[in-house]
Amino acid sequence: GENVEQHPSTLSVQEGDSAVIKCTYSDSASNYFPWYKQELGKGPQLIIDIRSNVGEKKDQRIAVTLNKTAKHFSLHITETQPEDSAVYFCAASIQTNAGKSTFGDGTTLTVKP
Amino acid sequence: DTEVTQTPKHLVMGMTNKKSLKCEQHMGHRAMYWYKQKAKKPPELMFVYSYEKLSINESVPSRFSPECPNSSLLNLHLHALQPEDSALYLCASSPGQGVRRETQYFGPGTRLLVL
Repeated sequence: GENVEQHPSTLSVQEGDSAVIKCTYSDSASNYFPWYKQELGKGPQLIIDIRSNVGEKKDQRIAVTLNKTAKHFSLHITETQPEDSAVYFCAASIQTNAGKSTFGDGTTLTVKP
Repeated sequence: DTEVTQTPKHLVMGMTNKKSLKCEQHMGHRAMYWYKQKAKKPPELMFVYSYEKLSINESVPSRFSPECPNSSLLNLHLHALQPEDSALYLCASSPGQGVRRETQYFGPGTRLLVL
């Protein structure tokens, strides 16, 4: 089955700096890669996703890159703000109508004001 | 309406109790999911319903029993749980068709404590 590794497990940055979280996956058949943000006491919320036919996607301060050959993808947050502090999860899955996503172990991001 | 709702928000139950968790979405999604999440861990998939039929069961103990009465509702019936079942139970839904068929939207979860 699919295995997703996520690094680092914790990340602390100063407000305004950039943050990068990296994930690798094992199953070359995976073709859908979402990123979720989970704040304390809440469910995960999708913040950005990328499909295997695209190498990069950007949404304001958030960007995701995908390297299919190396089987890794990364989340980039620029100009970080204290409200970006949360746990971030990457995931990998095969696009189907109702399939299984394999999650990374999560990264706790702390943005210090 | 892009919301998945879950009730109750918190639940405390004894090991002999029977209780149910409820999940509802009105986005017209045809796939619904139950996840279990322990503290500082990622969500673990339990069950997937596709078009109201159980399509994935991740070898979950029989003390957890899912039910999908219709395309908008998903229940998780709990019976004779163990203290190690204490966790955040998350419901999610996805369109199940179309370009973004696999994009999952999560509810806020039910925090369950088994005494």
